Amino acid sequence: EDQVTQSPEALRLQEGESSSLNCSYTVSGLRGLFWYRQDPGKGPEFLFTLYSAGEEKEKERLKATLTKKESFLHITAPKPEDSATYLCAVIRGSTLGRLYFGRGTQLTVWP
Amino acid sequence: NAGVTQTPKFQVLKTGQSMTLQCAQDMNHEYMSWYRQDPGMGLRLIHYSVGAGITDQGEVPNGYNVSRSTTEDFPLRLLSAAPSQTSVYFCASSSRQRSYEQYFGPGTRLTVT
Repeated sequence: EDQVTQSPEALRLQEGESSSLNCSYTVSGLRGLFWYRQDPGKGPEFLFTLYSAGEEKEKERLKATLTKKESFLHITAPKPEDSATYLCAVIRGSTLGRLYFGRGTQLTVWP
Repeated sequence: NAGVTQTPKFQVLKTGQSMTLQCAQDMNHEYMSWYRQDPGMGLRLIHYSVGAGITDQGEVPNGYNVSRSTTEDFPLRLLSAAPSQTSVYFCASSSRQRSYEQYFGPGTRLTVT
């Protein structure tokens, strides 16, 4: 059965304290892996797509990496405005247009 | 572009009532999906569509119907509302041309009493 598991469920960091969020997956025929950010009361906002092992993408303080079994979202020197829930999702080649989501990591960055 | 729009933003129903949540997108995306989000459960797929006239069930389809008569619109119908359907509902759309990245609407918060 296809699964997407995110850890930790919740993470509290002090401003400037770098860390990583994990997304592990067991999916046959992976076509891509997505990271989203969700603020309270809003819809998820797209961050990155990764397609193959070894790929990396960066945006401001965020860097996403992909291996054959998992993806990491690295947050460097986070700020309070980075506080949000971060969601990981995968897409299979056999069911394009359908995403399989993990439950998310709730990140809190305090000053 | 307005992107993905959803109406209403908030809705309160009594048990047994029916209603339709509206979703529209103006990006000419072929794929559209409906999710519900409950605390601790993440996003769960209700129904999705790969094009006009084609729909399929997701993880939690019971109690919901969909149809897709146009590319732009993908309404979600609650046939007989139950308290277990209290949730936040999100609509999303995507396109092969945009590498299947899903773009989400602002959500509808539904309470069933």
